[in-house]
Amino acid sequence: GAGVSQSPSNKVTEKGKDVELRCDPISGHTALYWYRQSLGQGLEFLIYFQGNSAPDKSGLPSDRFSAERTGGSVSTLTIQRTQQEDSAVYLCASTWTSGSYEQYFGPGTRLTVT
Amino acid sequence: KNEVEQSPQNLTAQEGEFITINCSYSVGISALHWLQQHPGGGIVSLFMLSSGKKKHGRLIATINIQEKHSSLHITASHPRDSAVYICAVPNYGGSQGNLIFGKGTKLSVKP
Repeated sequence: GAGVSQSPSNKVTEKGKDVELRCDPISGHTALYWYRQSLGQGLEFLIYFQGNSAPDKSGLPSDRFSAERTGGSVSTLTIQRTQQEDSAVYLCASTWTSGSYEQYFGPGTRLTVT
Repeated sequence: KNEVEQSPQNLTAQEGEFITINCSYSVGISALHWLQQHPGGGIVSLFMLSSGKKKHGRLIATINIQEKHSSLHITASHPRDSAVYICAVPNYGGSQGNLIFGKGTKLSVKP
């Protein structure tokens, strides 16, 4: 079956512009996670959704970052007024429900802010 | 909040060698994840385990819940095993789904 998909796969944007990243989880998965991997760094948690609500937004680095999920499916991560330090690979993962279940990762979106 | 330590950070092996990567964490958990990140960046979940041992092909993962330690072993290593291996645990222990990740072990297997 289809895995987690993300779009775009690559995004180059100018500093100060807004960007939207999209994640389409595996059908039936109620939990969705956003992670970020900066160059040479490990993975860091940003936010997760259980259904349409976000119980944990503690990883969002600033108020320029926001995310939403509608219909318990697709999620968008929005970065406003992008900065060069936002350059990273943004990864999305989904699982049946929040908790200790195997997470299935999407291919990521490589964001470059020039 | 959980903390994860992986070792070694980098590992170079000759084809056929037995590989061991270690992971320790600080807060009790219900399950631990081992992930593989290929040079192209894609991440694949290898194992999720809560006790004992799991085996998949040449990969074996073990966990000791009391000692808060897990190991990933690769038998008869092959150049295609070259990747970054990442250990991850629930950030707040228990079964909370938000993961915290180790810094990864970069494995390079030479032919």
